[in-house]
Amino acid sequence: GESVGLHLPTLSVQEGDNSIINCAYSNSASDYFIWYKQESGKGPQFIIDIRSNMDKRQGQRVTVLLNKTVKHLSLQIAATQPGDSAVYFCAENMGVTGGGNKLTFGTGTQLKVEL
Amino acid sequence: EAQVTQNPRYLITVTGKKLTVTCSQNMNHEYMSWYRQDPGLGLRQIYYSMNVEVTDKGDVPEGYKVSRKEKRNFPLILESPSPNQTSLYFCASRNRDRGGGYTFGSGTRLTVV
Repeated sequence: GESVGLHLPTLSVQEGDNSIINCAYSNSASDYFIWYKQESGKGPQFIIDIRSNMDKRQGQRVTVLLNKTVKHLSLQIAATQPGDSAVYFCAENMGVTGGGNKLTFGTGTQLKVEL
Repeated sequence: EAQVTQNPRYLITVTGKKLTVTCSQNMNHEYMSWYRQDPGLGLRQIYYSMNVEVTDKGDVPEGYKVSRKEKRNFPLILESPSPNQTSLYFCASRNRDRGGGYTFGSGTRLTVV
């Protein structure tokens, strides 16, 4: 079936460096994508989203890039801080015709920030 | 504070003993959903609800029931729990506009022995 995947299960970066977390999706009908952050013992927390009619969206220290041609999504974190250490998930949503309500999650990437 | 509240946070039970995990949201969201999270499998949707009295199956509904009698509450019911339902469960809600995605609760760690 359709799935959302991540290239790297673990990413280690130095404090202050930029982090890039990648995600590949396979469902061409997906039109809405979200990045979540999950800290140990907590539920996923919304970071940033992007609709398929955009290829870039920026938030506070985070940028999401969407390449529909190759079905690729990335999350860039600027000046990574120790508090950014967490598991990051991408999720895709297929819109009203695809159920609208369902999010399909990737398995996650562990981001470790080294001091 | 806008939030999704699940109870209990931790639960150990025995096979076959019916249990209910409660979920409540204070954001007046139409959509609510239950997910389970297992190592290597990520988050998988169990059931979802688009409004009061409207529920539907997600990817892994077997062994679970839900109800949506009120907009704010969406309990997850395990009529006869089995060890393969040992997992971390999350309730989530969002408004009709998908912007902002789902807001998740803090999770319920369930162990069935």
